Amino acid sequence: AQRVTQPEKLLSVFKGAPVELKCNYSYSGSPELFWYVQYSRQRLQLLLRHISRESIKGFTADLNKGETSFHLKKPFAQEEDSAMYYCALSGRKTGANNLFFGTGTRLTVIP
Amino acid sequence: NAGVTQTPKFRVLKTGQSMTLLCAQDMNHEYMYWYRQDPGMGLRLIHYSVGEGTTAKGEVPDGYNVSRLKKQNFLLGLESAAPSQTSVYFCASSVRPVDNQPQHFGDGTRLSIL
Repeated sequence: AQRVTQPEKLLSVFKGAPVELKCNYSYSGSPELFWYVQYSRQRLQLLLRHISRESIKGFTADLNKGETSFHLKKPFAQEEDSAMYYCALSGRKTGANNLFFGTGTRLTVIP
Repeated sequence: NAGVTQTPKFRVLKTGQSMTLLCAQDMNHEYMYWYRQDPGMGLRLIHYSVGEGTTAKGEVPDGYNVSRLKKQNFLLGLESAAPSQTSVYFCASSVRPVDNQPQHFGDGTRLSIL
């Protein structure tokens, strides 16, 4: 069965320090993976998706099929990065329109 | 451009009462979804719709019904509310998931069942 695991509920880093939010998945097919972010008092929004291989707001994420991971990274954290981050998975076996979410990681960037 | 709008934003119900949550999107999206978010559980899909007049069950459909009479609206109904349905409900919409286009979310509805 499909499963998305975000092992850290809370993560605190100092401004300017590197940050890595971990995401591991379990899926027997070819997954599509996403990172969604929810800033304080804002709605959940897409941050990036692995298929685009893009960098958004300095964040990148690489799909590692061998380790079944899709960790989110940023070399220098900023205070405005403080938010709730969700890793999500979809794929043909889940129904291409269905997303399975991890439990989320709350990132706090300390000034 | 409002995107996805959910009403109401907050509601308190007594056990056994019924209510309907409304989701409206103005992006002409074909796909719409209802999720619930519980502490430590992430978002879980309740029901979804791939087009006007169609609905399908998600991961946690029990106790809920949905309707998609108009393309822009997706209603989530609780016929007899139970305390276990206390949660934050999110609606989302998307175009056809070609190249996995993102889902666009509403602000959420916080529902408490006493």
